[in-house]
Amino acid sequence: AQTVTQSQPEMSVQEAETVTLSCTYDTSENNYYLFWYKQPPSRQMILVIRQEAYKQQNATENRFSVNFQKAAKSFSLKISDSQLGDTAMYFCAFMGNNQGGKLIFGQGTELSVKP
Amino acid sequence: GAVVSQHPSWVICKSGTSVKIECRSLDFQATTMFWYRQFPKQSLMLMATSNEGSKATYEQGVEKDKFLINHASLTLSTLTVTSAHPEDSSFYICSARVEIYNQPQHFGDGTRLSIL
Repeated sequence: AQTVTQSQPEMSVQEAETVTLSCTYDTSENNYYLFWYKQPPSRQMILVIRQEAYKQQNATENRFSVNFQKAAKSFSLKISDSQLGDTAMYFCAFMGNNQGGKLIFGQGTELSVKP
Repeated sequence: GAVVSQHPSWVICKSGTSVKIECRSLDFQATTMFWYRQFPKQSLMLMATSNEGSKATYEQGVEKDKFLINHASLTLSTLTVTSAHPEDSSFYICSARVEIYNQPQHFGDGTRLSIL
């Protein structure tokens, strides 16, 4: 069975600095998809970034980028120029190729951006 | 695009009543919808997966008779918490997805359910 592990329950960063959130996963599949979702205090789930396992290039969305290491089964999220609005829970998620779109979530990392 | 509307956003009701939560995909047809439960400071726990026109698939440990799921159309799924009790109080979130290989789930804003 697939598992997703986020080993940092809480993190904090100063505004304008860079922070990296860790995520590791376990799977025997070769093709799959990885996501980072953000859940601010409003509790809305927002898709931040996605990565397809067969693509070697790391995904980037403005200030958000990932470091995808397929062999190590690692999928970290880097937030550059952190802003107060980045304060949220961040969930790493795995979606297998033949799982009917089911997501396996990590435990979450609570990120606080301090002024 | 890919907007999912969930209603109501907050409901308070007495113990023993039934509560219905609606999940609608507004600008796409969702072949699959998912229902989650989330406790404070915890991750999302998948309760069930529903496909339009067929019975929902429940995760282990989720009571089918307590949490009734209906997916009557490609844009609407409902979760009914029957005979709700205080222990059913939680945050419930739905998501919807198009059955194309790399499409992610799109989430509703969630429903805060409080049973008195």
